[in-house]
Amino acid sequence: QSVLTQPPSASGTPGQRVTISCSGSSSNIGSNTVNWYQQLPGTAPKLLIYSNNQRPSGVPDRFSGSKSGTSASLAISGLQSEDEADYYCAAWDDSLNGLFGGGTKLTVL
Amino acid sequence: QLQLQESGPGLVKPSETLSLTCTVSGGSISSSSYYWGWIRQPPGKGLEWIGSIYYSGSTYYNPSLKSRVTISVDTSKNQFSLKLSSVTAADTAVYYCATDLVVPAAPPQLWFDPWGQGTLVTVSS
Repeated sequence: QSVLTQPPSASGTPGQRVTISCSGSSSNIGSNTVNWYQQLPGTAPKLLIYSNNQRPSGVPDRFSGSKSGTSASLAISGLQSEDEADYYCAAWDDSLNGLFGGGTKLTVL
Repeated sequence: QLQLQESGPGLVKPSETLSLTCTVSGGSISSSSYYWGWIRQPPGKGLEWIGSIYYSGSTYYNPSLKSRVTISVDTSKNQFSLKLSSVTAADTAVYYCATDLVVPAAPPQLWFDPWGQGTLVTVSS
């Protein structure tokens, strides 16, 4: 059971907008920044969003992140088939521990 | 640009010590700009942060693994290493090394980029 809670699955059709949530507490999301990773099948995770809402170079602006209180969200607009992957949130916890969410499997229908 | 590559045995016996090395290319492990981290992923499961180290040797460890984990840096070889002792089948996982950008006066931010390709370590007799 992960401290950062994500829905196990999400889905959408091409062109749709989907959101994935990540719920934590005051000691992690509430007081530290949130990052998001995309993991395509059989590959290493890739940093998608850092510091709540910043995109690394090369990440399409279809991907956006937000944070409010002890929760964060990843939004994907204009859903494409290549977006089918596992998505993980991550945040530092003030107990000196790095946390990942349990992951959300995104299916493009 | 930075590139990371994990290496080490793919099979470790129960109760023994798992040892992996991450070789850094395209940059110096002595850079003050990065933490160097280890993350693992059991087959079919999610990601777990193991720990991170700064070039000076200061470390942060996952509390659930702290008693068994040692992460160290070898600046002469531009490498950092992971040792996990007393392994069991539950330690079977793909182990990744990754770079985390340093934010001054702050703990690791878990901004892991880039990652190594990962190496599968199986614990079995």
